[in-house]
Amino acid sequence: AQTVTQSQPEMSVQEAETVTLSCTYDTSESDYYLFWYKQPPSRQMILVIRQEAYKQQNATENRFSVNFQKAAKSFSLKISDSQLGDAAMYFCAYGDIQGAQKLVFGQGTRLTINP
Amino acid sequence: EPEVTQTPSHQVTQMGQEVILRCVPISNHLYFYWYRQILGQKVEFLVSFYNNEISEKSEIFDDQFSVERPDGSNFTLKIRSTKLEDSAMYFCASSGAWTSGRGRETQYFGPGTRLLVL
Repeated sequence: AQTVTQSQPEMSVQEAETVTLSCTYDTSESDYYLFWYKQPPSRQMILVIRQEAYKQQNATENRFSVNFQKAAKSFSLKISDSQLGDAAMYFCAYGDIQGAQKLVFGQGTRLTINP
Repeated sequence: EPEVTQTPSHQVTQMGQEVILRCVPISNHLYFYWYRQILGQKVEFLVSFYNNEISEKSEIFDDQFSVERPDGSNFTLKIRSTKLEDSAMYFCASSGAWTSGRGRETQYFGPGTRLLVL
């Protein structure tokens, strides 16, 4: 079974600086999706970014980018120019290409932005 | 922009009572999911649903749970006899059809229903 591990329960960063959140996963599949979701205090799950495993190029969405290392099964999220609105829980998630394509989530990292 | 909606936003119930959580997925999506998140814990998969039947369910999804798509727009999760440990946030998600033969699109989540069982 696939597993996702986020080893940083909490992170903090100064406003306008850069922070990297770590995620590792385990799978025997060669093709899959990886996601980062943001959960603000409202607890809604908001998609931040996604990466297809077959793509070597790292995904980017404005201030958000990933460092996808397939061989190491690592998928970190970099947030540049951190803003107060970035404060939230961040969940890394794995999704299979085949089958029911359920998402497997990590434990989450709580990100605090210091003004 | 299309979004997944869920009702109610909050529900308080007595142990042993039945609850129905409702979701309206994004209109052209074909795949539907329920997840739950106990306070302070990670999000856990419950069940996936496609073509009017369950595709996969987790070990959490026992006989007390059922899902239904009663019409063309709603997707419901029923808990027949609630337990204290069913208290959690329940998220509905939906995703679209196959794209470029590589799999479904991203799952989009609703705002959740916060269920409290007393």
